[in-house]
Amino acid sequence: AQRVTQPEKLLSVFKGAPVELKCNYSYSGSPELFWYVQYSRQRLQLLLRHISRESIKGFTADLNKGETSFHLKKPFAQEEDSAMYYCALSGGYQKVTFGTGTKLQVIP
Amino acid sequence: ETGVTQSPTHLIKTRGQQVTLRCSSQSGHNTVSWYQQALGQGPQFIFQYYREEENGRGNFPPRFSGLQFPNYSSELNVNALELDDSALYLCASTSPNTEAFFGQGTRLTVV
Repeated sequence: AQRVTQPEKLLSVFKGAPVELKCNYSYSGSPELFWYVQYSRQRLQLLLRHISRESIKGFTADLNKGETSFHLKKPFAQEEDSAMYYCALSGGYQKVTFGTGTKLQVIP
Repeated sequence: ETGVTQSPTHLIKTRGQQVTLRCSSQSGHNTVSWYQQALGQGPQFIFQYYREEENGRGNFPPRFSGLQFPNYSSELNVNALELDDSALYLCASTSPNTEAFFGQGTRLTVV
């Protein structure tokens, strides 16, 4: 079974502070990991995927297979980063399992 | 702006009724996935369709069924609606090696 855990429902940080959104997963094979973001009144959209190894809007995420984690990080939070963030895992048949999400609130 | 559109945007049904939700996929995408998102939860995978065939299913009962048409648009059908079926239903379209694009969702309320 594949499972994604996001332990924090809400993360509040001050503007300019570092951000780390935690994600742990459970999967027996080699998963593909993603971060999706949903801004207020907008649809869910892909933020980044681990295979691309790119930085999007200053966010990065490293897959740690030993700790089965895929934490999302940004060194300096901006107000426009306030949104709902979902970690997701793709296993067999392209089934994507989402975590419960973390609401990031950046305080001005 | 993503080309995935869902209809209707909101819907109210009575317990026991049947409902059909629709999704038109992004141009060029041949795979459609459906998700159920209950309040305060992440999206839960219902099933996926690839070239008109079901290609993967989550832990949902058979009363959740779907179709994909030759133009790759899709329908989600739910029979014998239950109160717990109240949720936001999301459709996402993709093709191999491309990201999934989500629709804005259909909010279903079962009373």
